[in-house]
Amino acid sequence: AQSVTQPDIHITVSEGASLELRCNYSYGATPYLFWYVQSPGQGLQLLLKYFSGDTLVQGIKGFEAEFKRSQSSFNLRKPSVHWSDAAEYFCAVGRYGNKLVFGAGTILRVKS
Amino acid sequence: SQTIHQWPATLVQPVGSPLSLECTVEGTSNPNLYWYRQAAGRGLQLLFYSVGIGQISSEVPQNLSASRPQDRQFILSSKKLLLSDSGFYLCAWSGKYEQYFGPGTRLTVT
Repeated sequence: AQSVTQPDIHITVSEGASLELRCNYSYGATPYLFWYVQSPGQGLQLLLKYFSGDTLVQGIKGFEAEFKRSQSSFNLRKPSVHWSDAAEYFCAVGRYGNKLVFGAGTILRVKS
Repeated sequence: SQTIHQWPATLVQPVGSPLSLECTVEGTSNPNLYWYRQAAGRGLQLLFYSVGIGQISSEVPQNLSASRPQDRQFILSSKKLLLSDSGFYLCAWSGKYEQYFGPGTRLTVT
């Protein structure tokens, strides 16, 4: 069965510190991989995506993610977190023409 | 460029009343369309998806229904709302790969 696990429900980091949000997936084939961000009361915004090729992908707002096939992971990183990054982050996987499978989300809190 | 609209933005309805939420997409044709629900403190639950006009697939049994009367219009309905229908409803569209989400509708059933 296809599934996405985001092990951390909440993460708190200090402003200026680095960030890594974890995502592990279970899928029958190499999926397409996505990270979305949701601010309170708003829709989801696509941060970045991986289809193939270079396993380190760059996204908007200074985020990057690395696909590791051997670990079935697609972790999201940012070198220096800003207070405006506080939000909920969702990892998702899918294939062409198929529905996306979303993780349960990780809530990021940023302390000043 | 493509845009997706949802309305209303917020809605307060009594138990047993009907519901109609609308989603429209601009700037693309023949998109796949999706309805999701987020209950408080929970993740995304896919309710319905559609690959074309009149083609609706339901993911979970419930008292909600969906329709797609036009290529870029997706409607979520209920004849009688339950308290458990409260939540944040998101519409999304996709082309080949990623999904793009609308701003959402906050529904409170009282």
